[in-house]
Amino acid sequence: QKEVEQNSGPLSVPEGAIASLNCTYSDRGSQSFFWYRQYSGKSPELIMFIYSNGDKEDGRFTAQLNKASQYVSLLIRDSQPSDSATYLCARGGGNEKLTFGTGTRLTIIP
Amino acid sequence: NAGVMQNPRHLVRRRGQEARLRCSPMKGHSHVYWYRQLPEEGLKFMVYLQKENIIDESGMPKERFSAEFPKEGPSILRIQQVVRGDSAAYFCASSPPTRSDTQYFGPGTRLTVL
Repeated sequence: QKEVEQNSGPLSVPEGAIASLNCTYSDRGSQSFFWYRQYSGKSPELIMFIYSNGDKEDGRFTAQLNKASQYVSLLIRDSQPSDSATYLCARGGGNEKLTFGTGTRLTIIP
Repeated sequence: NAGVMQNPRHLVRRRGQEARLRCSPMKGHSHVYWYRQLPEEGLKFMVYLQKENIIDESGMPKERFSAEFPKEGPSILRIQQVVRGDSAAYFCASSPPTRSDTQYFGPGTRLTVL
């Protein structure tokens, strides 16, 4: 079982709709979770982090964490073509290093 | 406030040569991390350093790879006797001392081994 699992996609969403990206993790001791966006050929860009159960909103982005189910998600409202990228889920375990999933490729269809 | 800087951005080496990748963290950040991203694979942790100290090198290959973060100057990831399988994007990230898992990435160095 992978430490962090994501559906590789591609996930296609119409412009203006809500994109939902999901991630599960195996280590119950995980303390913190991160969503990075990576455009093709570019470096990962931190867009959200969440430490507590529940929802965290930042603009069009909402991160959701459910530690009991070992599940973290990212919702993107009012999707724009510029949101087309690969989204990487990562967990921190208190030992500083991040463990990443393989990423979900998101395409927003105009 | 400049972000994480890496150079070179692209590096081409022949098999058997050495590759040196440099990383300067964001201002105020004292923690540096190196990650490798192979084609069609996720980011893999390699090493975590603070000034003059290697904190965690559990992701480093046992041979040919080394890293340092001297008191003065950038962090350096060194790959000796490169092989084709070393071709990848190498990313450096830095974090502030108060929140070491909130990491910001540099633009990366894309290494191609011929």
